[in-house]
Amino acid sequence: DSGVTQTPKHLITATGQRVTLRCSPRSGDLSVYWYQQSLDQGLQFLIQYYNGEERAKGNILERFSAQQFPDLHSELNLSSLELGDSALYFCASSVAGAGYEQYFGPGTRLTVT
Amino acid sequence: GESVGLHLPTLSVQEGDNSIINCAYSNSASDYFIWYKQESGKGPQFIIDIRSNMDKRQGQRVTVLLNKTVKHLSLQIAATQPGDSAVYFCAENTPYDYKLSFGAGTTVTVRA
Repeated sequence: DSGVTQTPKHLITATGQRVTLRCSPRSGDLSVYWYQQSLDQGLQFLIQYYNGEERAKGNILERFSAQQFPDLHSELNLSSLELGDSALYFCASSVAGAGYEQYFGPGTRLTVT
Repeated sequence: GESVGLHLPTLSVQEGDNSIINCAYSNSASDYFIWYKQESGKGPQFIIDIRSNMDKRQGQRVTVLLNKTVKHLSLQIAATQPGDSAVYFCAENTPYDYKLSFGAGTTVTVRA
């Protein structure tokens, strides 16, 4: 158990819908990262927050957004969902920013039908 | 950048033998590397890391070697066990870059 929690574990929804994925980092970690893992793309970095502020953006679509709250938990919002958004979404946390090990949560499996 | 890759997508190992998983990277500015293990249905699990000022680091049954000259990283697992069956990813980080860039992964299967 990495100490990072994610909910829900599974999510099935229809195209065009909007969902919210939630992540709680390990106790004491200030950074939260979101990754997408699909069969043909591997692990792709989406976005990072540090102590409530956005620090880095990766290949995140405009339909996707995230935020980190004062209690340091984070939410990833996915809207206007398409079939191609079906993937595993992982949250990771680290004590600080670059150059530190990231600990991953168990992931949320999103299926868009 | 998205430059990390593994030499072999699959590796089959006899239980008890040593495993060597290779990873090549192309960004010479990368200064921090991590190996992760991902079992089916689970998130990546941190195994070991190494910074660019080192060329070897040992953990419990694992050793990571870094060759900056040829931009090569390897993970050695001693006395491979059935529980070591998983997908192994290497990841790299460049200074001031907050994201990790992951390779495609090597699937390790341990034969009894």
